[in-house]
Amino acid sequence: TQLLEQSPQFLSIQEGENLTVYCNSSSVFSSLQWYRQEPGEGPVLLVTVVTGGEVKKLKRLTFQFGDARKDSSLHITAAQPGDTGLYLCAGGSSNTGKLIFGQGTTLQVKP
Amino acid sequence: ETGVTQTPRHLVMGMTNKKSLKCEQHLGHNAMYWYKQSAKKPLELMFVYSLEERVENNSVPSRFSPECPNSSHLFLHLHTLQPEDSALYLCASSQEGQGVGNNSPLHFGNGTRLTVT
Repeated sequence: TQLLEQSPQFLSIQEGENLTVYCNSSSVFSSLQWYRQEPGEGPVLLVTVVTGGEVKKLKRLTFQFGDARKDSSLHITAAQPGDTGLYLCAGGSSNTGKLIFGQGTTLQVKP
Repeated sequence: ETGVTQTPRHLVMGMTNKKSLKCEQHLGHNAMYWYKQSAKKPLELMFVYSLEERVENNSVPSRFSPECPNSSHLFLHLHTLQPEDSALYLCASSQEGQGVGNNSPLHFGNGTRLTVT
């Protein structure tokens, strides 16, 4: 069974701080997607990474796919209250075509 | 209109009630999904419909019954639920065959918050 472990599960920081969220597995994934879910809404796709070692940037968010395609990280620089939400990683299996979700990291950025 | 619309947004039902959740997608996608989201647990895939045929049923109890009358609409019929079924039920759609690594991005609705009393 493929599993994705996200850490930390909960993070509360002050505006302006930097943070990193991790998504780890013992399985290899063909792709890794990151979603953000705000209260009262559904998850929204932020980025998809496909190649081992790939780095993608989305404004203050930096996403990296591990070289072995078993893990990923999300780094936020100078966090803002608008970054508050639940961050979900989802690994894609080329064998099954399924997406496996992590349990999520809840981020709270205080003004 | 938003891409994926779910109704109702909130639902409270007793264990003997029968209710239905509705999902409609306006994105022209060919696949639709039901997920269950519970606190501190990963999203649980319940059902997948591809081209209106059910292709996935993840050992979901029979008290949950999906229906996909066409590629734009998806229902989840509920009957004799248990309190542990209380959760956020998310509908999603995707366009199969266009995602990288065969894992097309999902477009989610805002969910139905279900409470079973």
